[in-house]
Amino acid sequence: GAVVSQHPSWVICKSGTSVKIECRSLDFQATTMFWYRQFPKQSLMLMATSNEGSKATYEQGVEKDKFLINHASLTLSTLTVTSAHPEDSSFYICSARDNLRQISNQPQHFGDGTRLSIL
Amino acid sequence: RKEVEQDPGPFNVPEGATVAFNCTYSNSASQSFFWYRQDCRKEPKLLMSVYSSGNEDGRFTAQLNRASQYISLLIRDSKLSDSATYLCVVNGRNTGFQKLVFGTGTRLLVSP
Repeated sequence: GAVVSQHPSWVICKSGTSVKIECRSLDFQATTMFWYRQFPKQSLMLMATSNEGSKATYEQGVEKDKFLINHASLTLSTLTVTSAHPEDSSFYICSARDNLRQISNQPQHFGDGTRLSIL
Repeated sequence: RKEVEQDPGPFNVPEGATVAFNCTYSNSASQSFFWYRQDCRKEPKLLMSVYSSGNEDGRFTAQLNRASQYISLLIRDSKLSDSATYLCVVNGRNTGFQKLVFGTGTRLLVSP
């Protein structure tokens, strides 16, 4: 079945560091990928929609200059948290949709998530 | 008002019990509905889609009431392994099929 790989799974770094998270679709092409953030005991919140070959679409309240998204190929999207601070500590999850097969009962395939801790 | 609302729980039930979760959504234009399961510190995994006619998958039954904008999930004969957070998910406003809106989840704890 379709698999989405996310890397790294865990990051601990100092305040002010920039952190890059990769999201790869392993056996399908994904023109669209999604980046979510989840704080403890809260729901997944969509941050942005990543479109291959074009600019990402950010949700209201998400700073595009802080959360840089690059979707340079049909199988890879990256999220860079620039100058991270402790309030950016969260669980970041990507997902991708197999646009070719468009399986309605599997709307999106999720990566394993990245737990980011900023000290 | 949140787009998708769920009782956060936790629901504490013994093994073998039947438990039901409810969810309401605010966007009457929503077309697709799902239940996801999320284990602690893990990514969400699709449990089942929800249809107006209702659907069943083993011990799990999902129902959709479009008129009331209400979704339910019934788990029969609960197992210890069913302990998790169950997320109600609908497709988002004016976004077609792709954008998903997640509820905060209902936590289930099944005890021996």
